[in-house]
Amino acid sequence: EVQLAESGGGLVQPGGSLRLSCTASGSTFSTSYMSWVRQAPGKGLEWVSVIYSDERKHYADSVKGRFTIFRDNSKNTVYLQMDSLRVEDTAVYYCANCEGWFGPWGQGALVTVSS
Amino acid sequence: DIQMTQSPSTLSASVGDRVTITCRASQSISTWLAWYQQKPGKAPKLLIYKASTLQNGVPSGFSGSGSGTDFTLTISSLQPDDFATYYCQQYSAYPYTFGPGTKLELK
Repeated sequence: EVQLAESGGGLVQPGGSLRLSCTASGSTFSTSYMSWVRQAPGKGLEWVSVIYSDERKHYADSVKGRFTIFRDNSKNTVYLQMDSLRVEDTAVYYCANCEGWFGPWGQGALVTVSS
Repeated sequence: DIQMTQSPSTLSASVGDRVTITCRASQSISTWLAWYQQKPGKAPKLLIYKASTLQNGVPSGFSGSGSGTDFTLTISSLQPDDFATYYCQQYSAYPYTFGPGTKLELK
């Protein structure tokens, strides 16, 4: 089974930027749809973004215009560039293979937006 | 956006009990529905997709049913490892949305 590993989380001030990475094992990455899903502390799950194998993208309204998803198939990696971060973006960010449903999932990366 | 609701929000049960969690969509989503299990500090785990298809490796005690707007997740006989939070998710239309979760706790 494909395994996913996120990196790049951390503490950032409001208005700042951060880039998350998610690297996948396996040879099918280039044909996979990949998504980011987040979970604020003590809250439920919120879909953030998806990128198709043909580079088409969709975003949640809450991040549209601030976050950018992109991929590098040569590195089996999908990225989430997060700009103009807000306190309410604080969450664990998971990457996941997306077939409509999500799975498998990475272990998550904590992003904390605070001054 | 398609809104997802779940009931109950918390369910107290004992090992060996049969439990059912309900998920409702604000509009018809056919069978474009998935169920996940999440334990504290862990990533969610896919249990069921397309409303009733069991993911590989998921115990057969889990089952899903429904179509349109009303769906159920049933655990036929609770095991100690099943106490967790369960989420439904629709993938009929963007933005994909999750239900608020049902916490299954030990009575």
